[in-house]
Amino acid sequence: AQSVTQLGSHVSVSEGALVLLRCNYSSSVPPYLFWYVQYPNQGLQLLLKYTSAATLVKGINGFEAEFKKSETSFHLTKPSAHMSDAAEYFCAVFNQGGKLIFGQGTELSVKP
Amino acid sequence: KAGVTQTPRYLIKTRGQQVTLSCSPISGHRSVSWYQQTPGQGLQFLFEYFSETQRNKGNFPGRFSGRQFSNSRSEMNVSTLELGDSALYLCASRKEGQGADEISFGPGTRLTVT
Repeated sequence: AQSVTQLGSHVSVSEGALVLLRCNYSSSVPPYLFWYVQYPNQGLQLLLKYTSAATLVKGINGFEAEFKKSETSFHLTKPSAHMSDAAEYFCAVFNQGGKLIFGQGTELSVKP
Repeated sequence: KAGVTQTPRYLIKTRGQQVTLSCSPISGHRSVSWYQQTPGQGLQFLFEYFSETQRNKGNFPGRFSGRQFSNSRSEMNVSTLELGDSALYLCASRKEGQGADEISFGPGTRLTVT
């Protein structure tokens, strides 16, 4: 069965610092992986997705993620955090049955 | 292009009542999925509809049901509401191409059961 684990339910960084949000997946088939962001009282916005075309995926708002098969990881990074990046981030794997399986989410706080 | 829309955005219901939520997918998208988001359980898949047929179903009781219309709009219904049904219900649409199409979410319907 496919699953996703996000390490750290809360991450706090200073403005301008590196953002690193960790995601590990379990899948017996080549996975399709997603990162979504959710701002308070809003739905999920797609940041980026991996569909086997390239291992380094660039997304919106300066975020990127690297697919590492050997580590079964798909960590999300941003070189320099902005206050506006404060939100909850979800990693997800697309199940062949047509559904997204989400991690538990990581809340990112950005300190001035 | 217009995104996924959900109505209503907020609902307050009483235990035992029933509720219907609506979702209009992005134009041209034929697959609609529903997810429940709660602080305790996170994001959980409810069901997926494609061409008016339920194609996949999550592990929820039969009180949760849905349907899809010929224009791809979808509704979900929850009968005999329980306090634990309080959640954000998210609708997602995708075009249904090859592999994992871009899956777009609506803003959600916040349901509060008192």
